[in-house]
Amino acid sequence: SQQGEEDPQALSIQEGENATMNCSYKTSINNLQWYRQNSGRGLVHLILIRSNEREKHSGRLRVTLDTSKKSSSLLITASRAADTASYFCATGNNDMRFGAGTRLTVKP
Amino acid sequence: NAGVTQTPKFQVLKTGQSMTLQCAQDMNHNSMYWYRQDPGMGLRLIYYSASEGTTDKGEVPNGYNVSRLNKREFSLRLESAAPSQTSVYFCASHRDRGADGYTFGSGTRLTVV
Repeated sequence: SQQGEEDPQALSIQEGENATMNCSYKTSINNLQWYRQNSGRGLVHLILIRSNEREKHSGRLRVTLDTSKKSSSLLITASRAADTASYFCATGNNDMRFGAGTRLTVKP
Repeated sequence: NAGVTQTPKFQVLKTGQSMTLQCAQDMNHNSMYWYRQDPGMGLRLIYYSASEGTTDKGEVPNGYNVSRLNKREFSLRLESAAPSQTSVYFCASHRDRGADGYTFGSGTRLTVV
């Protein structure tokens, strides 16, 4: 399985702090994706990083990928209460597999 | 710009009943997917369709069937519902090119009693 595994399972921070979530996977990949899920809603795509990329930015999001360690990290800078959600990494080609996610709580 | 539309949003079934979950996308995407999400867990792939006319099993296909009716529609059928199939079901679609991710529907919350 190419399922990603996120760490930590839960993270609680204060507004304005940075949040870092990690993802490990088992097999070689073409790309790795990060998604966000607000409570009771569907997943929203945040960012895709290809296997030949090491770092990617999108607004307050920074994603890194280390294929030698089969790991990725998602950094959210200057967090806001609205960032409270579950974050998932996903890998796969035609059959994307998701980890169990990191539940991020940002306290105002 | 509807994206991915799932119906119904909520459903309660009795054990042994059957039902079909509907999914339609209006983005001309090639691939479509059905996932289930259980409390506190990630998504598990049930079935997917890489193109019109093809379907493949995912991680947890037992107890389900699918139909890719046309490029827009991908339905999931429970022939004989069981309490273990109580879950939130998500449909997703993907263009298969570029840096796009999957586009998800808002989910169907199914309870089997």
